[in-house]
Amino acid sequence: NAGVTQTPKFQVLKTGQSMTLQCAQDMNHNSMYWYRQDPGMGLRLIYYSASEGTTDKGEVPNGYNVSRLNKREFSLRLESAAPSQTSVYFCASSEVSPYEQYFGPGTRLTVT
Amino acid sequence: KQEVTQIPAALSVPEGENLVLNCSFTDSAIYNLQWFRQDPGKGLTSLLLIQSSQREQTSGRLNASLDKSSGRSTLYIAASQPGDSATYLCAVLYSSASKIIFGSGTRLSIRP
Repeated sequence: NAGVTQTPKFQVLKTGQSMTLQCAQDMNHNSMYWYRQDPGMGLRLIYYSASEGTTDKGEVPNGYNVSRLNKREFSLRLESAAPSQTSVYFCASSEVSPYEQYFGPGTRLTVT
Repeated sequence: KQEVTQIPAALSVPEGENLVLNCSFTDSAIYNLQWFRQDPGKGLTSLLLIQSSQREQTSGRLNASLDKSSGRSTLYIAASQPGDSATYLCAVLYSSASKIIFGSGTRLSIRP
């Protein structure tokens, strides 16, 4: 039982490049989340998916797109990376009510 | 504006002491509150979740309380150990699962 897994662990992009961050969970959870964590800003929700086929914007969705591929997988795409997107990205999952969240190990992204 | 505050930002205590970490929130219409631990360079580990109808939750040496009327939650750690050194974060979930607000965390150091 791996819990929540994320790939890659580290990534360096140049401004304007695109990439997809992958997330998968094996806990049969319905809900999945993408966060970014920045020094002094805490964790902020980017996108949320309540179930397969549904996604909702969080606090900071601009510059990102998501896909809920199936119940297990939730990907985050940066179409044209910007230095402001340098951050640590975390994926999480939870069951419906009470929404206790379980986090992956994170992806450290640097955009130069 | 809904805000979650954790004070102090950092705390250092000698091993063996009992200690309390604080989490304050401005909007008391919460769905649940979750406490996490984060080790440097790692993801978040769930410690305790308190639903809005509950007053406290316990797990081993940890006890979390919730007082919605005053907008406060506390995490009590008994008989602290060096292995408890980490950053502790609280997160408040509101009625919409896409409305989750994290505090900035308290960095705890336990001195041997």
